Amino acid sequence: EAQVTQNPRYLITVTGKKLTVTCSQNMNHEYMSWYRQDPGLGLRQIYYSMNVEVTDKGDVPEGYKVSRKEKRNFPLILESPSPNQTSLYFCASSPTPGGKLFFGSGTQLSVL
Amino acid sequence: AQSVTQLGSHVSVSEGALVLLRCNYSSSVPPYLFWYVQYPNQGLQLLLKYTSAATLVKGINGFEAEFKKSETSFHLTKPSAHMSDAAEYFCAVSSYNKLIFGAGTRLAVHP
Repeated sequence: EAQVTQNPRYLITVTGKKLTVTCSQNMNHEYMSWYRQDPGLGLRQIYYSMNVEVTDKGDVPEGYKVSRKEKRNFPLILESPSPNQTSLYFCASSPTPGGKLFFGSGTQLSVL
Repeated sequence: AQSVTQLGSHVSVSEGALVLLRCNYSSSVPPYLFWYVQYPNQGLQLLLKYTSAATLVKGINGFEAEFKKSETSFHLTKPSAHMSDAAEYFCAVSSYNKLIFGAGTRLAVHP
């Protein structure tokens, strides 16, 4: 089954404790992206990747890192999480940038 | 720069009534436009997509949207709401390297 898999679904952590949210897709898509969803703001892009070893900042990249060492994986790293990063995070992939996005089920992150 | 505005953060309809969710876009080039739906505790699913082939686009679950260039609109409609349509709906416009999403409209359907 074609899918984007994110883990974990729920995560509660404390300020400053490094964490990684994993994302994997099995559709051989070149394009992958991370969004955060906040009430009243819709989805905002954090980082995206056009292909292996090619990543770039989205609209709200501060406090986040990503890597793309393999085509299928695109982890999101918060090296020193802060409470303003409490949000619902989505990973997505697409055959082409700006095309139909396939979304993961989301990761609800709470930073205390 | 592209942008999307969804009018109305909450819409409530009766079961069987017309659903109308409004979306206006701003784009300097002919846009690709999308509607996504998000059910509780799930990711977003594509409802329909406009790519300039036809101005009236039919999607899944009986939804459709009409692209109106003169009004820069891409409103989503469904003739008869079902209880199962209760969800959050997002309009999006394609940019070079991403989709730009509106703030979302939460649809409530009551008996």
